[in-house]
Amino acid sequence: DTGVSQNPRHKITKRGQNVTFRCDPISEHNRLYWYRQTLGQGPEFLTYFQNEAQLEKSRLLSDRFSAERPKGSFSTLEIQRTEQGDSAMYLCASSPGTSSYEQYFGPGTRLTVT
Amino acid sequence: RKEVEQDPGPFNVPEGATVAFNCTYSNSASQSFFWYRQDCRKEPKLLMSVYSSGNEDGRFTAQLNRASQYISLLIRDSKLSDSATYLCVVPFYNQGGKLIFGQGTELSVKP
Repeated sequence: DTGVSQNPRHKITKRGQNVTFRCDPISEHNRLYWYRQTLGQGPEFLTYFQNEAQLEKSRLLSDRFSAERPKGSFSTLEIQRTEQGDSAMYLCASSPGTSSYEQYFGPGTRLTVT
Repeated sequence: RKEVEQDPGPFNVPEGATVAFNCTYSNSASQSFFWYRQDCRKEPKLLMSVYSSGNEDGRFTAQLNRASQYISLLIRDSKLSDSATYLCVVPFYNQGGKLIFGQGTELSVKP
C-alpha cells in the first residue's frame, strides 16, 4: 500500500497523559499536513511541513501540541497533558507540493480522552 | 464570518434524484476549490477540483461563481453509494496549500 498511513488508528487515554501519533506520507511527497476533525465538523488545519521544516502552525495548536518531521519523511504529533477537549480524529495528509497541491489523506487516528 | 460555509443538511433524497449542495467562501483571492467526499468514519477523498467556471465528471458537476463567491456541487441520478458527507474546500496556496474545509453537507440516498 503506497498511501498515507497513520498509527495508531485508535487511542484511548486518560486525561493528563501524553500521546504521540505517527504519520507516514506518500513517498517523495515533500509536504505533510496535520488536521483535526471533531464530530459534525470539517477537518481543521493544525500545521504543515515542507520537508523537515515546520512552516505554519494554527492558533488551534496550543503549547501542549508539538509536531516534528525530523528527516523530512514521517511525522509525529505529540499532545501533552491531554484534555477531554482533545478528543477528535487527527488526520495526516501529504502533497507533492510542487506540481500539485492535491492532498492525500491517511485513515486518521481517533483519540478518546477519558 | 466563517471562511467556508455549507448547509450541513442532512439531505435525504430517493435514488435517481438530482441534488445540489451550496458553498460560500470569504476569501475573494481564492482561485481554485475542491470538493471532497467523506464516508462515515473514513478519511476525506478528493471528488472534484474546480479551477475555472466549473467542472463536470459523469454525474457530478461543480460550478463556480467568483462574483458571488459561491461554489456548487450537483449530483444527478443519485445512487445509494453517493451517501456520504461532501466537503467544500478552499486551498490557501500562499500559505503552503493548507486546506480550509467547510462543515460538510451530509447526503443520504434512500431506495
